[in-house]
Amino acid sequence: QSALTQPASVSGSPGQSITISCTGTNSNIGTYNYVSWYQQHPGKAPKLMIYDVSNRPSGVSNRFSGSKSADTASLTISGLQAEDEADYYCSSYTGSSTAVVFGGGTKLTVL
Amino acid sequence: EVQLLESGGGLVQPGGSLRLSCAASGFTFSNRAMSWVRQAPGKGLEWVSAISGRSERTYYADSVKGRFSISRDNSKNTLFLQMNSLRAEDTAIYYCAKPPRGEVTGEFDYWGQGTLVTVSS
Repeated sequence: QSALTQPASVSGSPGQSITISCTGTNSNIGTYNYVSWYQQHPGKAPKLMIYDVSNRPSGVSNRFSGSKSADTASLTISGLQAEDEADYYCSSYTGSSTAVVFGGGTKLTVL
Repeated sequence: EVQLLESGGGLVQPGGSLRLSCAASGFTFSNRAMSWVRQAPGKGLEWVSAISGRSERTYYADSVKGRFSISRDNSKNTLFLQMNSLRAEDTAIYYCAKPPRGEVTGEFDYWGQGTLVTVSS
């Protein structure tokens, strides 16, 4: 069981927007702004899409955005495209000796 | 260009040991905490361990604490993971990952290609 809870799957049609939630506790997401999101295509290494809750690394499309409210972080993808179909993972810093926790992952299907 | 190249994976029997390496280039290695993250076949990402830039602090997931040991050689820009008392559930691709800033924050802007560890008799 993952420390952060994500929906197992979400889907949307091209051009639509979707949001993936990531629920933690006040020991991780609720306290720290070190929340990040990763995209992973089959057989590939994860790719950082969002860090520090809402910052996009250079080169990541502005169709990807992140936010946080209390113990829950969210990733929103607008203007869905076929290449967005992938697995998405959230992570958070915990401030403890077990420093990092990941969510269980969400499979995004573009219909 | 940042590069992370893992090596050392392979097939090992339950109870055995393995040492993974990650050769880093393209950034000032000693200024960055580094982590290992693993992914079991068909499963999600699991953070394994982290080490501060000058090895002052180490961090471990509960699932590997007491069995795995992380270390680094800043003179060779290399990260290590010593894995002992291996179990079937340790079977996974092991990724080396770099943070965007110096400290351990659980955020990783570069990942290696991964090395596969299979624990089986």
